[in-house]
Amino acid sequence: EAQVTQNPRYLITVTGKKLTVTCSQNMNHEYMSWYRQDPGLGLRQIYYSMNVEVTDKGDVPEGYKVSRKEKRNFPLILESPSPNQTSLYFCASSLRDGRGRETQYFGPGTRLLVL
Amino acid sequence: AQSVTQLDSHVSVSEGTPVLLRCNYSSSYSPSLFWYVQHPNKGLQLLLKYTSAATLVKGINGFEAEFKKSETSFHLTKPSAHMSDAAEYFCVVSSSEGGFQKLVFGTGTRLLVSP
Repeated sequence: EAQVTQNPRYLITVTGKKLTVTCSQNMNHEYMSWYRQDPGLGLRQIYYSMNVEVTDKGDVPEGYKVSRKEKRNFPLILESPSPNQTSLYFCASSLRDGRGRETQYFGPGTRLLVL
Repeated sequence: AQSVTQLDSHVSVSEGTPVLLRCNYSSSYSPSLFWYVQHPNKGLQLLLKYTSAATLVKGINGFEAEFKKSETSFHLTKPSAHMSDAAEYFCVVSSSEGGFQKLVFGTGTRLLVSP
C-alpha cells in the first residue's frame, strides 16, 4: 500500500531533550516536506527536500533540522525542543505529473507535547 | 506570493442540506488548488484538486469545487451533507517556486453537521 508513515504518532518530552520524528514514504517520491499545524494557523511548512541531500527552509524552520540521506526517509530533528514547538506535525511527499504539477500525500501526523 | 483565505472558520448545516465552504486565493502564477479534509485525530486526505484542466472539479465523497479565475475563488460544495462529512477542511494553493511546489494552507473551516 502506497503511504507515508511517521513515528512516533504521539510524543511527550521535556524542554531541551533532543528528539527525532521519522518519516518514510514507499512511493519513490522525490519531494518531501514537513509541516506543523497549530490552531487557527492552518499548516505551515517547516522544511522541504527536493531530493537526496537537497533540503531547504520553509516558512517556520527555526528550531528544526532535517536530513535526506535516502530518498524514502526524511527525519525531522529537534535538537533542543521548547514548549512553543508543541504542535501536530505532518510529513508529506509529492508526486509531480507530466505537466510539472504536484500532489502532496500526507502522513498520519505526530502529536508532540514539550513540557 | 500566494495566499489563501477561508472565509468561514465554522459552518453548520443539517444532514441532507447543501454544503458550501468558501475559499479565495491570491497567486502570481497559474495556481494549482486543492481541498484537503481532516477528520478528528486523523491525517489529511486529498478531496480534490484543480490543475488548469476543467474548471469544475469533482472529488471524493460527492464533493466538487469550481475554479473561478475572475473571482479568484475555489469554493467547495456538496449537494447533500452527511454526518460523516463533519471534519475540518483546508483550501490550499500551490505554486512552483525554484522548481519545487510550495503549498500555502488556509486556516481551515470546521464543518458541523447536525441530524
